[in-house]
Amino acid sequence: DQQVKQNSPSLSVQEGRISILNCDYTNSMFDYFLWYKKYPAEGPTFLISISSIKDKNEDGRFTVFLNKSAKHLSLHIVPSQPGDSAVYFCAAIAKAAGNKLTFGGGTRVLVKP
Amino acid sequence: NAGVMQNPRHLVRRRGQEARLRCSPMKGHSHVYWYRQLPEEGLKFMVYLQKENIIDESGMPKERFSAEFPKEGPSILRIQQVVRGDSAAYFCASSPPPGATEAFFGQGTRLTVV
Repeated sequence: DQQVKQNSPSLSVQEGRISILNCDYTNSMFDYFLWYKKYPAEGPTFLISISSIKDKNEDGRFTVFLNKSAKHLSLHIVPSQPGDSAVYFCAAIAKAAGNKLTFGGGTRVLVKP
Repeated sequence: NAGVMQNPRHLVRRRGQEARLRCSPMKGHSHVYWYRQLPEEGLKFMVYLQKENIIDESGMPKERFSAEFPKEGPSILRIQQVVRGDSAAYFCASSPPPGATEAFFGQGTRLTVV
């Protein structure tokens, strides 16, 4: 039973354009959401997060949107850069259950120059 | 300012051998999490430890796998009698005491069982 799903396994975007990554979850106990970026042979690197009491959080080129009623969040990267090419993981936490992360399957992003 | 350190980076074991994976958390972090990533999949939670305590091992296979985080030294993930299906990347993450939600990951140990 996959509680966090990233339905697009891959995304290709032109440099300078917007990348939109989507994530859906089923567990209503999740109250904190994070996006991680991962390069091959490296560990995940934290990008941006959002609490369930908010619907938007912005940090530079990265913006995360949360729609609680739809149990959906998205990550916008604008403008996309070649160095953004990586696998992006959506993750969720139910704070009452400790801070263990439940990850989606990842979306591989390729930014073309 | 060292990050989360995992060793070895790569580990090859024959079926039936034991694998020991080590994780030193970031300085000041007292909470350690282990995750496993099978090929072409996302990371799956295995176990959550504090110093000398296992807090949550709901993601650990019931047999052959164990984890510890002693008072002194790194956290150890131990896999006994490895099988080919144990081949994966094992990641450790650490975080400060409760209240902090951001976990910092190590570079992982890639275990190959031949």
